[in-house]
Amino acid sequence: EVQLVESGGGLVQPGGSLRLSCAASGFTFSSYEMNWVRQAPGKGLEWVSYISSSGSTIYYADSVKGRFTISRDNAKNSLYLQMNSLRAEDTAVYYCARTKILVPGLFDYWGQGTLVTVSS
Amino acid sequence: EIVLTQSPGTLSLSPGERATLSCRASQSVSSSYLAWYQQKPGQAPRLLIYGASSRATGIPDRFSGSGSGTDFTLTISRLEPEDFAVYYCQQYGSSPPPGTFGQGTKVEIK
Repeated sequence: EVQLVESGGGLVQPGGSLRLSCAASGFTFSSYEMNWVRQAPGKGLEWVSYISSSGSTIYYADSVKGRFTISRDNAKNSLYLQMNSLRAEDTAVYYCARTKILVPGLFDYWGQGTLVTVSS
Repeated sequence: EIVLTQSPGTLSLSPGERATLSCRASQSVSSSYLAWYQQKPGQAPRLLIYGASSRATGIPDRFSGSGSGTDFTLTISRLEPEDFAVYYCQQYGSSPPPGTFGQGTKVEIK
């Protein structure tokens, strides 16, 4: 069974940093592209970042470029999101999501999410 | 960037009724690369439909998708209690960034 479990969310002050993790199991993690997608309270879904299966190709949404860093450790079956210079508008539930094999941009499995709250 | 507009914003129906949700794109979606996701309160989104009409693994056949070009529809033939949720459409298929999501349609119990 495919499982994605996020952790690392919490309350942080504006300008602060947080590192999210996503532990994957039930599939060959190193074969899959991965993403972070977020959802502000009561709002819709917003793609945040993408990383290729090897980690060699990375993309970010304009809203987080220069502040967030995605990475992965295939030996540990884990995905990460380092978030710096956090702003109130970054408050959201952050989901890790797997890209369906050979289908760019289609998310076939999602974790349960971790809440990040940026507030003083 | 393709903008997806979903309608209606909220659909109030009773269990057993048929639900018809619309997703309209601002320009043609290539190769029908249109997906639908279901999200229940406090849960992660779940992939329902991709390729406009293909059901994802484990999705009941009361869910069906149709459409092409700029107009797409998700139909739930007979609503079950567990189907009351928010539904999002998404255009995909290009290299990242992936396509955007629609703003969602909430299917609520009447």
